[in-house]
Amino acid sequence: DGGITQSPKYLFRKEGQNVTLSCEQNLNHDAMYWYRQDPGQGLRLIYYSQIVNDFQKGDIAEGYSVSREKKESFPLTVTSAQKNPTAFYLCASSILGASSSGNTIYFGEGSWLTVV
Amino acid sequence: GENVEQHPSTLSVQEGDSAVIKCTYSDSASNYFPWYKQELGKRPQLIIDIRSNVGEKKDQRIAVTLNKTAKHFSLHITETQPEDSAVYFCAASKTSYDKVIFGPGTSLSVIP
Repeated sequence: DGGITQSPKYLFRKEGQNVTLSCEQNLNHDAMYWYRQDPGQGLRLIYYSQIVNDFQKGDIAEGYSVSREKKESFPLTVTSAQKNPTAFYLCASSILGASSSGNTIYFGEGSWLTVV
Repeated sequence: GENVEQHPSTLSVQEGDSAVIKCTYSDSASNYFPWYKQELGKRPQLIIDIRSNVGEKKDQRIAVTLNKTAKHFSLHITETQPEDSAVYFCAASKTSYDKVIFGPGTSLSVIP
């Protein structure tokens, strides 16, 4: 868990601005994910990536963009098209192919984004 | 696609009592079932997991049971303590290349 670093921990955004949340992992994990969590709610998948230079939309990708130029980095940009961006954002990572069954996801400490 | 349901959504127990959280899943091909604990304002952390070739797994006060025929699995916490108060998420997935599907969460309160 300690190998996934998110920054900043707190971020304030003015309406109409784009902001980028950083996520770096030194676990040599193949896959990386971004989740959004609203207060008192569950985890909603925004984007995920299983390999460098490739990523897929999750359940709520509208208004967000990502890149995966390096294995260890998966930044998330919250664009002005995201109308209600105030939330807790969690980056996560996992190993692929380590088991014939499912994968364990490990989370970063999260970033709080508030629109002011 | 896979759907994971979780009950109850909130649970209050007296300190020392047991707590049980139940999840059901829809895709019979799912074979990995992790449980995460999320304390207020913090990240979810894996507390226990079970794979489909095992019916039960225990780690100190925490145990998980799996019924593949009925497609449900449960988290059991015995001798609850105030520090067990948190939101618990169950999840299900197939291969490591498939998305992990989370349940909506259960907010557990342990009353001293």
